[in-house]
This record gives sequence, C-alpha cells and structure tokens, in this order.
Amino acid sequence: DAGITQSPRHKVTETGTPVTLRCHQTENHRYMYWYRQDPGHGLRLIHYSYGVKDTDKGEVSDGYSVSRSKTEDFLLTLESATSSQTSVYFCAISEGLGYNSPLHFGNGTRLTVT
Amino acid sequence: GQNIDQPTEMTATEGAIVQINCTYQTSGFNGLFWYQQHAGEAPTFLSYNVLDGLEEKGRFSSFLSRSKGYSYLLLKELQMKDSASYLCAVLNNAGNMLTFGGGTRLMVKP
Repeated sequence: DAGITQSPRHKVTETGTPVTLRCHQTENHRYMYWYRQDPGHGLRLIHYSYGVKDTDKGEVSDGYSVSRSKTEDFLLTLESATSSQTSVYFCAISEGLGYNSPLHFGNGTRLTVT
Repeated sequence: GQNIDQPTEMTATEGAIVQINCTYQTSGFNGLFWYQQHAGEAPTFLSYNVLDGLEEKGRFSSFLSRSKGYSYLLLKELQMKDSASYLCAVLNNAGNMLTFGGGTRLMVKP
C-alpha cells in the first residue's frame, strides 16, 4: 500500500467554522490531489499540487484552499464550512500519471457539517 | 469540458462474465484508468489504457477505442468479492489531472 495517511478520519463540525484536513505521504511523490466524493457525482477534483508551494484549482475549488509547504504534506482548508461541504474527502498521490504511476488514494476523511 | 458516462448499477451472477462500459467526451485525452472501490474504502487501481485495444490482467481486462470515445472493463469468473463500484477516469492532455465518471455499482449474486 502507498504510504498515505489522512487525518482526521471522521469529523463533525458546525456551519461557519474553519476546518483543516491533512494528507501526509511517505512516498516522496511529486503530485498530490484532494477529491471529494458524493452520491451521484462521483469523485471530483478540488485542488492539486505539483510541488512544494505549487498548487492549482480543480473543478470544485470554491470554498476551499490548500497549502503545501513540504513535499510530504498537503492541507485542505475550509475557511467557513457549509452544509454543502458535507462529503467524503480523499487525498491521492502520484509520481506522474500513467501506467507506471497511477493515482494512489488515502483512506478518506468523512466530514459532516451540521 | 469533460463528460464521462457509466451505467449507475449492474447485477451479475457469481461465475459469470460482466462488461462495464464507459463513454467519454473530453477536451483532451492522455489515457483512461479503471479503479475499483469497495463500500467505505478508498479506490484502488485496476488498469490503464492509452492505446486502442485490449489489456488483460488476470480475471480483469480493459478495452479502449479512442476514435469512439469508449472503454469497457470485463470481469470474468465473477466472485462475490467483486461486488464493488467501478470507476472510469480520463487523464487530461497535460497528464496531471484525472476526471472521474460517476461509477458503476456492481452487485454479484450467488
């Protein structure tokens, strides 16, 4: 298994509070991704990073920010959580997408915003 | 834009063969991935196709036709443990982003 750890695994928070999810990898992979997974929508890309301090937006980036200050850590922040951000969040890593380096996913964080 | 379509659900019998289709209309293409996801777990990599044709890997095979924007995942000798969602994903031209379809939930019955 790829060395990816997401924390926390579960979180319940109230609308309007800030939330930070952490993804930590031990593989030294260049690319890191944050996806959310919702029924009827599948996996949707929020943000991704292609190196330290290098990040870019995905298709559903509104309301989210990210930071990558070290190769191994990729943080996802919800500045002011809303109920529409209730979801399962997956972090993924890759050395460079293709046959020899597919996306490897962490175990996910289940976030509930009440 | 990206549009990736898969059937929502399929049911098959243990020991049988099932084919899960995926059609895509994307602004760029650099390969297609299939992932398996058991309920409550993370997706895991099954296959990658970038050239037309069939790639076989044990009981699982994946086919790609780039001209038709079409792929399928073929599962042979179905086992109960194959009950899972199967996700089709297209890699963009730059090779740095995967866009996923909604997934196909496969139920294998005895």
